[in-house]
Amino acid sequence: QVQLQESGPGLVKPSGTLSLTCAVSGDSINSGNWWSWIRQPPGKGLEWIGEVHRSGNNKYNPSLESRVTMSIDKSKSQFSLNLTSVSAADAAVYFCAASSGYFRIDSWGQGTLVTVSS
Amino acid sequence: EIVLTQSPGTLSLSPGERATLSCRASQSVSSTYVAWYQQKPGQAPRLLIYGASSRATGIPDRFSGSGSGTDFTLTISRMEPEDFAVYYCQRYDTSSRYTFGPGTKLEI
Repeated sequence: QVQLQESGPGLVKPSGTLSLTCAVSGDSINSGNWWSWIRQPPGKGLEWIGEVHRSGNNKYNPSLESRVTMSIDKSKSQFSLNLTSVSAADAAVYFCAASSGYFRIDSWGQGTLVTVSS
Repeated sequence: EIVLTQSPGTLSLSPGERATLSCRASQSVSSTYVAWYQQKPGQAPRLLIYGASSRATGIPDRFSGSGSGTDFTLTISRMEPEDFAVYYCQRYDTSSRYTFGPGTKLEI
């Protein structure tokens, strides 16, 4: 089964850019999986941010689409998330995740907490 | 936009009891697109059920899913101590992809 590990700054300044990376092992980044980012504000529910595929056919949550960019780095077997113009509302645990394409999230990273503060 | 509602918000049970969790969609959803996850404190969610009623790999058979249309149910036949957690339903659609319900907390 695929293993996922998030990395990136745990603290981002307001109006700055949140950048996270997810390292993929146990499966090829070039497989047919869809690679997602999902977030969870402290004590709250889950929000899907978007997904990226080897085909380049990315899909983003409409509520975040204007601020989100995702990409795959095949040489490093990782995918990334950039979220611009962050505010306190973007503070959350960010999970990277994988879907085999059958309408569910099959695998999750352990999550990384991102705080937004000056 | 289809909204998922889960009930109850919190369910207090004892080990050995049966748990019935509800997920209701504001419009009809194909059962193919419905999944359930379990999340314990400090952990990532874990896939339990997909396609409304199929158990994911390694999930004990005390977990079962059912439903169609707008009403879906996750049942835990006999609660084990490790089953106390938060449970989320999820809906997929081709435009907005994944939407999660607000969750049901199972507590002792």
